[in-house]
Amino acid sequence: TQLLEQSPQFLSIQEGENLTVYCNSSSVFSSLQWYRQEPGEGPVLLVTVVTGGEVKKLKRLTFQFGDARKDSSLHITAAQPGDTGLYLCAGQLLSGKLIFGQGTTLQVKP
Amino acid sequence: NAGVTQTPKFQVLKTGQSMTLQCAQDMNHEYMSWYRQDPGMGLRLIHYSVGAGITDQGEVPNGYNVSRSTTEDFPLRLLSAAPSQTSVYFCASSYSLPGGTDTQYFGPGTRLTVL
Repeated sequence: TQLLEQSPQFLSIQEGENLTVYCNSSSVFSSLQWYRQEPGEGPVLLVTVVTGGEVKKLKRLTFQFGDARKDSSLHITAAQPGDTGLYLCAGQLLSGKLIFGQGTTLQVKP
Repeated sequence: NAGVTQTPKFQVLKTGQSMTLQCAQDMNHEYMSWYRQDPGMGLRLIHYSVGAGITDQGEVPNGYNVSRSTTEDFPLRLLSAAPSQTSVYFCASSYSLPGGTDTQYFGPGTRLTVL
């Protein structure tokens, strides 16, 4: 069974703090995606990383793909209340199958 | 562009009832997928389609049927609803295989409760 473990599952922080969400697996991925989902809506793609060691930045969000392409992290600098939501990672296995992590619920308090 | 639309937004069924969840996209995407989302379990693939007339099973297909008669529409049918099918259902579409460099677009979801 291919699993994608996300941690932590819940995170509640104050505005201005930094945080990191991790996505880990024993499987190798050809690509890894991060999504953000707000209540009552579908997930929205934030970024796709495809190369081992790749780092992508999206304003205050930094995404990294592990060198071995088995793990990824999402780092948010100076979190804002607008960052509140559910963050999902999804990895595309070498077979083409896409699997999702369990999600990290982030609450940023003003 | 409306993107991916889903109806209904909410539905309550009794055990044993059948219903169809509607999904449509206006982006001319070949790939369409149905997922269910349950607390602590992320998104799990139910069925998917790589083009009109072609469908295949995903990770959790039991109790669900799909068809793809047009590029735009991909309905999901629950044949005999069970409480275990209580979930939020998302339809998604993309130009190519989800997870690659193309963006997969999700609909707003249908929240289904089976009593």
